[in-house]
Amino acid sequence: DVKVTQSSRYLVKRTGEKVFLECVQDMDHENMFWYRQDPGLGLRLIYFSYDVKMKEKGDIPEGYSVSREKKERFSLILESASTNQTSMYLCASIRDRAYTGELFFGEGSRLTVL
Amino acid sequence: AQTVTQSQPEMSVQEAETVTLSCTYDTSESDYYLFWYKQPPSRQMILVIRQEAYKQQNATENRFSVNFQKAAKSFSLKISDSQLGDAAMYFCAYRSAISKLTFGKGITLSVRP
Repeated sequence: DVKVTQSSRYLVKRTGEKVFLECVQDMDHENMFWYRQDPGLGLRLIYFSYDVKMKEKGDIPEGYSVSREKKERFSLILESASTNQTSMYLCASIRDRAYTGELFFGEGSRLTVL
Repeated sequence: AQTVTQSQPEMSVQEAETVTLSCTYDTSESDYYLFWYKQPPSRQMILVIRQEAYKQQNATENRFSVNFQKAAKSFSLKISDSQLGDAAMYFCAYRSAISKLTFGKGITLSVRP
């Protein structure tokens, strides 16, 4: 019973390519997040969205953009991929705006930029 | 800004034994929430346990319990009767009404059969 689905588990892209990472949740959650996970650095917030067409920058938004055209879908876009964007990307969602409850994660998308 | 520190990058435990994962945090707020999340290898991260700071009683979920020391700003996770399926990366996290969710760097737990 997968609740947060990330479209690609593994991707290999070339430097300069435009990359789309898709995330879909089926729990009618208002709030969605994109994190980046790197060894020794934990999870760092890239962007989040608390409503359709709304977005806010997280801690490391540089080099990324997002799109939320529908409530269930939150996309992360790398306009021009670089090698330092090689990482594991995690999508997550939560119902309440205060998000003091459980955050639901996708399985992650491991991106390699050559 | 709030910080969450997990000082041990790795730990190992014998199957059926008990292990404690440490976490400290820095905050000036009095009302907040603390979490432990588990990320099994190649699988999605899930919530293990949650603690509200205003509750003095330590949270428990089956074999998982926390030792919440508010004055010391410490929030450790105890896993009793460790099982092979407990092998994972564990993240401590903090959230308050005015601060975003902040994760520690994680600790990798291995379980020896």
